[in-house]
Formats: sequence, C-alpha cells, structure tokens
Amino acid sequence: GENVEQHPSTLSVQEGDSAVIKCTYSDSASNYFPWYKQELGKGPQLIIDIRSNVGEKKDQRIAVTLNKTAKHFSLHITETQPEDSAVYFCAAVEASGGSYIPTFGRGTSLIVHP
Amino acid sequence: GAGVSQSPSNKVTEKGKDVELRCDPISGHTALYWYRQRLGQGLEFLIYFQGNSAPDKSGLPSDRFSAERTGESVSTLTIQRTQQEDSAVYLCASSVAGGMSTEAFFGQGTRLTVV
Repeated sequence: GENVEQHPSTLSVQEGDSAVIKCTYSDSASNYFPWYKQELGKGPQLIIDIRSNVGEKKDQRIAVTLNKTAKHFSLHITETQPEDSAVYFCAAVEASGGSYIPTFGRGTSLIVHP
Repeated sequence: GAGVSQSPSNKVTEKGKDVELRCDPISGHTALYWYRQRLGQGLEFLIYFQGNSAPDKSGLPSDRFSAERTGESVSTLTIQRTQQEDSAVYLCASSVAGGMSTEAFFGQGTRLTVV
C-alpha cells in the first residue's frame, strides 16, 4: 500500500517569512496530491491540490510542486501570517480507477509568530 | 446543511461500553471515509464506502470496530467493548469519487474519550 512521509513535524516561522513542507510517497500509481489545513477543533480542509500531469500549481500565497520521478511533493507558503498557524497534512491518492482512498502524512504543525 | 455532519461532537464512555458514531455526508457524494486521529497524530484510515460496492475495511484495527452505510447516505461507526486506546477524534469525510476530482470534505469529528 501507499506510504506518505511528511517533514518537518513542527515548523516555527516569523510573520512574513516563507514556510516549506515536504512529503514523499511510495506508490507510483498515485496521481492526485491534496494538501489539507486543520485548525484547532476542526476537521481538515482542502487548501490546494495537484495532479500528476503538472509540476507546479499556485494559488495566491500558496504553491505546490510535484516531482513524479523522485516521488516528492512540497507545499510552499509565502508571506506567512498568524492565521496560517495550523496543522497541515499532505496526502496521496490513486484517483483513476483505484480506490480513491487518501493516504495522509503525519502532519506538520506550523506556528507563525507575529 | 451543505457540509459533512458528525454526531455527537463529543462522547465520553466507560471502558467496555459500546459506542455509535454517526456521519451524514454531503448529498450526492458516493464515497465516504472514516479516519481516526489520535492526539497529535496523523489521520489513520479506517474504512471506505463507495456506492453499492463492498466497503474497504482494510484499516479497521480490530473486530471491535465495524461500520455500516445506508445506500449513499448516513454511515454509523460502531466500536464495541471500548478500550482506553480507542480514545481519539473520529473523522468522517465524503467525496464525489470518480475521475480526478476527488476532494474529500471532512466533518468536524467526534471526540471519543474512554475512561
């Protein structure tokens, strides 16, 4: 089955700095990679995703990159703000005739200091 | 409501008792997932329902855990003879599985505490 590793487990930055969270996956059949943000006491919410036919996607201050050969994908947050503080989860999914079950990383607790 | 709804939001139970957790997915979503999240940990897959197909139960940790889904609507996760290690937040998610758009929408979770 799929295995997703996520690093770092905790990331502390100053407001305005950039934050990068990295994930690796094991199953080359995975072709959909969502990122979720979980605020305290809430369920995870999708913030950005990328499919295997592209290498990069950007949405305002958030970007995701994918290296299929190396089975790496990363989340980049620029100009961080205190409200970005949350736990971020990466996931890998086989979304083309497979089971569509997201396998999640262990999460990164991002703390943005004002 | 437009989102995934879970009930109860909190449940405290005594060790050895059975509990039932409920999930109301988004209308029209054929796929439904249950995950477990222990304190400070990631999301551990439990079970997956997709339409009328047999559920994928590969993540259930023991035979004390079971889940049912009525058609493409409500799902119930049952834990029998609860143990302290069952204490966690149980998250339900639903999605329109199929093609490449498989965003999973999560509920707020049920926080289960076994005392």
